[in-house]
Amino acid sequence: DAGVIQSPRHEVTEMGQEVTLRCKPISGHNSLFWYRQTMMRGLELLIYFNNNVPIDDSGMPEDRFSAKMPNASFSTLKIQPSEPRDSAVYFCASGHPGEVADTQYFGPGTRLTVL
Amino acid sequence: QKEVEQNSGPLSVPEGAIASLNCTYSDRGSQSFFWYRQYSGKSPELIMSIYSNGDKEDGRFTAQLNKASQYVSLLIRDSQPSDSATYLCAVTRYTGNQFYFGTGTSLTVIP
Repeated sequence: DAGVIQSPRHEVTEMGQEVTLRCKPISGHNSLFWYRQTMMRGLELLIYFNNNVPIDDSGMPEDRFSAKMPNASFSTLKIQPSEPRDSAVYFCASGHPGEVADTQYFGPGTRLTVL
Repeated sequence: QKEVEQNSGPLSVPEGAIASLNCTYSDRGSQSFFWYRQYSGKSPELIMSIYSNGDKEDGRFTAQLNKASQYVSLLIRDSQPSDSATYLCAVTRYTGNQFYFGTGTSLTVIP
C-alpha cells in the first residue's frame, strides 16, 4: 500500500509568489496533519483535520497560510504571498485510528525555498 | 513549559553499546506515546508506540513508560552506525487529538 504522497518534493519560488503544497493521505486514514520543520524551531504542527474537518489551525503562522481538505484523499496547504521566512520542509502526515489513539505516518515532505 | 522535553544531545555511543534516550511530558492526561526516528533529509519514521506503564520490546528497541513520573524512554541495544539519526518523542491524549513532539535527540553511533 502506498504511503502518504506529497507533491512537489522540492519547490523554489520568489518572494510574493503563491505556493501550493499537496498531500494524499493513506487510504482509510481519517486524520491529516500538516507540519513545518526548520532547524531553529523543530517540528511545528500547523493544522490538522479529522474526517476532512479542520480541528485546530492555531499553529498556522498568519493569514498568508491556508489549508483545505475537500475530500478524504486530498489536502492542500497554500501560502500566499510567500516570504523567505517560510523556507522550510513541510510534512503531511495521516493518522490511522487505533485502540487508544491514532498512529501518524509521515509523507516524504516538500522542501520549500523562498528567495 | 513545553509539552514534551527531550535532551537535544548530541548523544554519542560506541557501536554495540546501549543508547538511552529520554523524554518527559507535561500533560498528565496523555495516553499514547511514540518514538520516531528521522534520518538527515528524510521524514520521521515511526519505530515504537507504548500505551501502558512498563517496558515494551521490539527487536533491539525497548520503550519504557512511567506515567507517574511523566517519563518515557527508548533504549537501543547493540547500537549500530545505521541507528545514527534524530529520535523524536511524541505524545497524544486520545484518538483524533494532535500529537505533541519533542525537539528530538541526535544520536551518533561510532564504529
